[in-house]
Amino acid sequence: GAVVSQHPSWVICKSGTSVKIECRSLDFQATTMFWYRQFPKQSLMLMATSNEGSKATYEQGVEKDKFLINHASLTLSTLTVTSAHPEDSSFYICSARVAAGGQETQYFGPGTRLLVL
Amino acid sequence: AQSVSQHNHHVILSEAASLELGCNYSYGGTVNLFWYVQYPGQHLQLLLKYFSGDPLVKGIKGFEAEFIKSKFSFNLRKPSVQWSDTAEYFCAMRFGGYNKLIFGAGTRLAVHP
Repeated sequence: GAVVSQHPSWVICKSGTSVKIECRSLDFQATTMFWYRQFPKQSLMLMATSNEGSKATYEQGVEKDKFLINHASLTLSTLTVTSAHPEDSSFYICSARVAAGGQETQYFGPGTRLLVL
Repeated sequence: AQSVSQHNHHVILSEAASLELGCNYSYGGTVNLFWYVQYPGQHLQLLLKYFSGDPLVKGIKGFEAEFIKSKFSFNLRKPSVQWSDTAEYFCAMRFGGYNKLIFGAGTRLAVHP
């Protein structure tokens, strides 16, 4: 299957700082990537859809100025958590969309654990 | 609103027992359905998917799922579980012309040797 990587795998930062998370599709090109957030013992919640070369589409309730998404190339999307606060601590997961044979499937990265002190 | 429900939050089985995890969705139109597995400390992996055709879908590691349109269900099954199947299982739906997936809450499966 398609391989998606994320960097870093975990990060600890001070409140008020910004953190950038990278999501890469390693062996394929992805015009669309997705960013999810997963709270402990809960399911994945879609934050935004990232489209190469255009603005991201954010889900209701997600602050676009707080979670900046850039999809500058077909293999890289970045999520920047700006002015992070302790409530932003979470597990952030990206996925990339693969459409082959008319079947569209998402492949997920390993996630980035963010802890804001 | 469109949603996915997984009614079993925690399941505990002994090795060799049969497994069935429930998944129901709410959407009246065409859906694509997926089961993902998340092993401890690892990322989500695709187990199987249904787009159209044969409603009985076979996936990796001996898993299968059956799409029953009349029941809006897509239950995951395995005839004989192993300790290595201990993981969290997520059912997901893609509906209409949208790219995004909607996930169920997940089911934690613990298999005892």
